[in-house]
Amino acid sequence: DAKTTQPNSMESNEEEPVHLPCNHSTISGTDYIHWYRQLPSQGPEYVIHGLTSNVNNRMASLAIAEDRKSSTLILHRATLRDAAVYYCILISSGNTGKLIFGQGTTLQVKP
Amino acid sequence: NAGVMQNPRHLVRRRGQEARLRCSPMKGHSHVYWYRQLPEEGLKFMVYLQKENIIDESGMPKERFSAEFPKEGPSILRIQQVVRGDSAAYFCASSLRDSAGANVLTFGAGSRLTVL
Repeated sequence: DAKTTQPNSMESNEEEPVHLPCNHSTISGTDYIHWYRQLPSQGPEYVIHGLTSNVNNRMASLAIAEDRKSSTLILHRATLRDAAVYYCILISSGNTGKLIFGQGTTLQVKP
Repeated sequence: NAGVMQNPRHLVRRRGQEARLRCSPMKGHSHVYWYRQLPEEGLKFMVYLQKENIIDESGMPKERFSAEFPKEGPSILRIQQVVRGDSAAYFCASSLRDSAGANVLTFGAGSRLTVL
């Protein structure tokens, strides 16, 4: 599975939108873009995933660049409970669940 | 649905003892994964199991570590003769294969092992 690059940390104010970027310039055609997050002292939590088209769910939106070499996770209104480490992970369609978690982006949300 | 259940949540062992960590996957999930997170480090894949089969154990240390997922009962991660370096959070995840091939994992809350 190809590698991803994310900023180490970001800050946001409560109730404002947050855009978390991810670069994956070596993505292949069969790689899905997944986002997980890990709140303090908890296990990782699935957020969203997509292949080519933008995706929305109750937690977030995923915007995928037309060339698929980058993507952005969008939290529409950050809350204090969104403070976590966010991981952008590429998963090939045949992946056996061996996810490669990088350093992720630590999101701080200020009241 | 209770989600992925792990126990114990916290386990303390002395060097040389054995640690057994249990994981019950989500109802209907037949794929189980174990990950380890050392202090101040990222999550690392250890092993992937289906019922009675080890599919991928490429992340398991060669000695002292073993995993099983029997036909009945939870998956077990077993660490024999623990050392201080085994102190970590061990996370179990399970999945139901997505028909599109995008595999979504549901993680448990983890078992935190401390070796004295």
